[in-house]
Amino acid sequence: DAKTTQPPSMDCAEGRAANLPCNHSTISGNEYVYWYRQIHSQGPQYIIHGLKNNETNEMASLIITEDRKSSTLILPHATLRDTAVYYCIVRSFKSNFGNEKLTFGTGTRLTIIP
Amino acid sequence: DAGITQSPRHKVTETGTPVTLRCHQTENHRYMYWYRQDPGHGLRLIHYSYGVKDTDKGEVSDGYSVSRSKTEDFLLTLESATSSQTSVYFCATTGTTNEKLFFGSGTQLSVL
Repeated sequence: DAKTTQPPSMDCAEGRAANLPCNHSTISGNEYVYWYRQIHSQGPQYIIHGLKNNETNEMASLIITEDRKSSTLILPHATLRDTAVYYCIVRSFKSNFGNEKLTFGTGTRLTIIP
Repeated sequence: DAGITQSPRHKVTETGTPVTLRCHQTENHRYMYWYRQDPGHGLRLIHYSYGVKDTDKGEVSDGYSVSRSKTEDFLLTLESATSSQTSVYFCATTGTTNEKLFFGSGTQLSVL
């Protein structure tokens, strides 16, 4: 399974764009990049995912480099409610069952500063 | 999200006692997962299920067993709880391999 590397913590000023990097240099061709976040002790929440093209939804944008070895999650106008731990995950499969198994690391603790 | 209910929400038990945590979902999702979360380790997969009576081990499965007799229920059992199993346990589900994972609210387990 491909592993991911994220900075342990980041700060961002409220109202500014928060850019969270992720390195996944061993990603294989059929693996997706997913981003989740966890606020306080709640269950993780899905944000966005992509394969090779950049993606955008109502929460964030995902920029994946052309070689797919790294990606950046962008929260365009960060608010205090975006303070959370953000996880970058590469999805793996068991080919015989087509099963999905996500492996989470320790993520990036993003703090939005008023 | 996705009608996932974990029970109990909090549990305090003694070393050596059996404990069962329940995850119930109302979305008819095929895949279900149990994770544990500890400081410094993020989320680690314990066991997962890809259908009724079909389960497999994750990365930290020692000391845990699971059962899935119905699509909607995924049970995690600690046969003889140890202090190292004090943790927050999260259940998750997904419907297909292309969908997002939905998480429950977690169970805080303390083994004294």
